[in-house]
Amino acid sequence: GAGVSQSPSNKVTEKGKDVELRCDPISGHTALYWYRQSLGQGLEFLIYFQGNSAPDKSGLPSDRFSAERTGGSVSTLTIQRTQQEDSAVYLCASSFGQGAPLYEQFFGPGTRLTVL
Amino acid sequence: GQQVMQIPQYQHVQEGEDFTTYCNSSTTLSNIQWYKQRPGGHPVFLIQLVKSGEVKKQKRLTFQFGEAKKNSSLHITATQTTDVGTYFCAGRPTGANNLFFGTGTRLTVIP
Repeated sequence: GAGVSQSPSNKVTEKGKDVELRCDPISGHTALYWYRQSLGQGLEFLIYFQGNSAPDKSGLPSDRFSAERTGGSVSTLTIQRTQQEDSAVYLCASSFGQGAPLYEQFFGPGTRLTVL
Repeated sequence: GQQVMQIPQYQHVQEGEDFTTYCNSSTTLSNIQWYKQRPGGHPVFLIQLVKSGEVKKQKRLTFQFGEAKKNSSLHITATQTTDVGTYFCAGRPTGANNLFFGTGTRLTVIP
């Protein structure tokens, strides 16, 4: 079946604008994660959704960042008033089942965000 | 806060040499996963370790989970150019809800 998809694949925006990044997880996966990866760096955890539970937002770097997951499926990561330091690849991953950290994460191709 | 560190950050090897990356946590981990990210690609799951002292092998790759469940290693025997990429560990601290990714080790294989 289809893997995790993300859109857009590339986004160039001006400083101060808002952006929305979309993630379509694998059908049936109840867990969804957002990560940020700066050039040549590791994965920075942003937010984690598990089923209908309240999301774990502990990784969001500032209140300019927010995410939602509608109907337990598609997720949108919103960055308001973008700054140049927000430039990075934003990766989404989904995982199967309760106790999701025990299951492998399937990553999407990412959205490369460039803030000018 | 919880950190999962990896060493080395970078490693250059001649093709055919062995390679090892080490993952260390400040707290006990319930489980640890390893991922590989090819240049320009996204992370892809390799394996999961759950038991203390566990060792798993995938062809030329050997994964170990320490007895104290605070460290792990990935060893590649006789590297090939196809092994190029960044290797990440990801561990879940006991009682935590989430996986924490290590800083990654970027492997370059010189033909």
